[in-house]
Amino acid sequence: QVQLVQSGAEVKKPGASVKVSCKASGYTFTNYYMHWVRQAPGQGLEWMGWINANSGGPNYAQKFQGRVTMTRDTSISTAYMEVSSLRSDDTAIYYCAREELGAPTGFDSWGQGTLVTVSS
Amino acid sequence: DIQMTQSPSSLSASVGDGVTITCRASQSLSSYLSWYQKKPGKAPRLLIYAASSLQSGVPSRFSGSESGTDFTLTISSLQPEDFATYYCLQSHSTPRTFGQGTKVEIK
Repeated sequence: QVQLVQSGAEVKKPGASVKVSCKASGYTFTNYYMHWVRQAPGQGLEWMGWINANSGGPNYAQKFQGRVTMTRDTSISTAYMEVSSLRSDDTAIYYCAREELGAPTGFDSWGQGTLVTVSS
Repeated sequence: DIQMTQSPSSLSASVGDGVTITCRASQSLSSYLSWYQKKPGKAPRLLIYAASSLQSGVPSRFSGSESGTDFTLTISSLQPEDFATYYCLQSHSTPRTFGQGTKVEIK
């Protein structure tokens, strides 16, 4: 069955970086986008960007341009998202989610979420 | 960027009630609209994709429809496990955009 398994919770200081991983199994990794979505405490879902797992090309929300880097390693079917220059308002649960390339299938499988806490 | 306006932001309903949640897009989505259920401590769950297609394993009391740039999620008879927050998402273009969410609470 399809599974997306994310790395564990992180606690970081302001100004630091964090890298979250998302390991996929049960499907052909390169046939999908991998999106990253976050939810800050008490807030809604916020789309951060995607990586085309086939080409490796990313696309970031303007809000995160220059501070977020999305990569993937097809040999181990894993996507990564790194956020730099962390601020307290980056405290959130970060999710990865897959979307089939070129099809209106929505985000049909999600990781379990990774809590990132930014605190001095 | 495509803006998604979701309403209402919250609603109170009883078990057995029918509820309707709406998202309005700022431009045509060509049916690239999906709906998600979000419960505290859980990952979002896909309910509807392509505006009106029911995701496998989702109860048939959930349905979606489309009229131009207006999209509707309907729950025909609320069950206790349906109390949650619901979001729409447009996948027509990048950046992807979520609606603001609708919290469905117990009356």
